[in-house]
This record gives sequence, C-alpha cells and structure tokens, in this order.
Amino acid sequence: DIQMTQSPSSLSASVGDRVTITCRASQSISIYLNWYQQKPGKAPKVLIYGASSLQSGVPSRFSGSGSGTDFTLTISSLQPEDFATYYCQQSYSTLPITFGQGTRLEIK
Amino acid sequence: QVQLQQWGAGLLKPSETLSLTCAVYGGSLSTNYWSWIRQSPGKGLEWIGEISHVGRTNYNPSLKSRVTMSVDTSKNQFSLTLSSVTAADTAVYYCGRVRFTTSRLYYFDYWGQGTLVTASS
Repeated sequence: DIQMTQSPSSLSASVGDRVTITCRASQSISIYLNWYQQKPGKAPKVLIYGASSLQSGVPSRFSGSGSGTDFTLTISSLQPEDFATYYCQQSYSTLPITFGQGTRLEIK
Repeated sequence: QVQLQQWGAGLLKPSETLSLTCAVYGGSLSTNYWSWIRQSPGKGLEWIGEISHVGRTNYNPSLKSRVTMSVDTSKNQFSLTLSSVTAADTAVYYCGRVRFTTSRLYYFDYWGQGTLVTASS
C-alpha cells in the first residue's frame, strides 16, 4: 500500500493567516493526489484534485501544488469557516486508495 | 444536484454481518463507480471498495475476504455487506461517488451523510 503522511498533525492559526499543510507519499504518485476538508459530524468535502485543480465551488484561497512524493495545500487567508480537519488521498494506486492521517486546523 | 442517502443497522454484535445501503438522487448509477469508505478514530479514513453499475467490483485487499458490494439499478441504490464484524469494524461508514476524469484523476465528489456502526457485545 502507498502510505500518505501529513504534517503537521495539528496546527493553530488565526483568521487572515496563510497556512500550509504538507502531504508526503511513500512512493512517487505523479499528480494523483486529492485534498479534502472535513468538519465535525460531516462527510469530507473535496477541495483539490489532481494535486492542483480546484473543485468547482471551492473558494480560490485554497490551492494545491506538488508532484511525485511531496504535496502542499495552502490556504492564503484563513476564514472562520476554514477551521476543520484536512486529509490528503492518493489515487495513483487504486488497490487500495489510501488517505493521510489528517491535519487538524484550530483557531489560535 | 447529486445527493446520496444511506441507511443500515447501527449496532451489531461481534460475528454478525454489517449491511448498509446508499440511494442516489439527482443522478444515475450508470455514469460512475460508487464507493464505500469508513472512518474510525484508530485507523482514520479507510477505503473499503467500489462498484460499477454493472456490478464490477474492486475491494481493499485488507477487507476483501469479508466484503460484498452489490448494485440495484432499478432503485438507483448500491449496498455493502461486511461479514463477521469485530470491534475493529466500529466506524462511521460513508458511501461516495467516484469521479474519474479523462486524465485518469480519481476522487470522491459526493458523499453520503455517514452511518455510525458499532460492533459490541
């Protein structure tokens, strides 16, 4: 299985801050990397697919970059509704699809 | 707007079989693969498997021996069964739609609301 490791596991930030979350794959996965946001009691919601493509309806303050083994999700200016947990997911190998362990973004 | 609504038993005893169903509204089963994913505090998000409208399946090798997925196109529904559950299967289970692009990008664009399944004696 391809292992996905996110850092940090948790992060405190303030409204208006620029935030970066990192995801590292245990082997090269090209650009087959997606990012999700999850709020308590809700299902995950896709933000970025293909490493850098913004899903329809997602605010442009969210952006993704990277290829190979190292990827980043950046929120350019944190809004109150952005405090949530973020997950990366690889689809290079679909047997099985695997997710990162999550990064919890909290209000400072 | 596609919506997924799921249901099934929430409390099971060890060795029983988990059974969940997911109905698709506002879209057709025929245009995508459909997946099940679970989330537990100990293992995070775990992909269980997927099924197409003609019943073609792919399962996570770690669960393959206990998982069965099926589809009912007449009802626009798909289902999951997981046999011989243990406490380790306690999790929130989600159904989801697979979006597969022409450039082979694969992600989950619509999700059900989640069902908490607890396996306890």
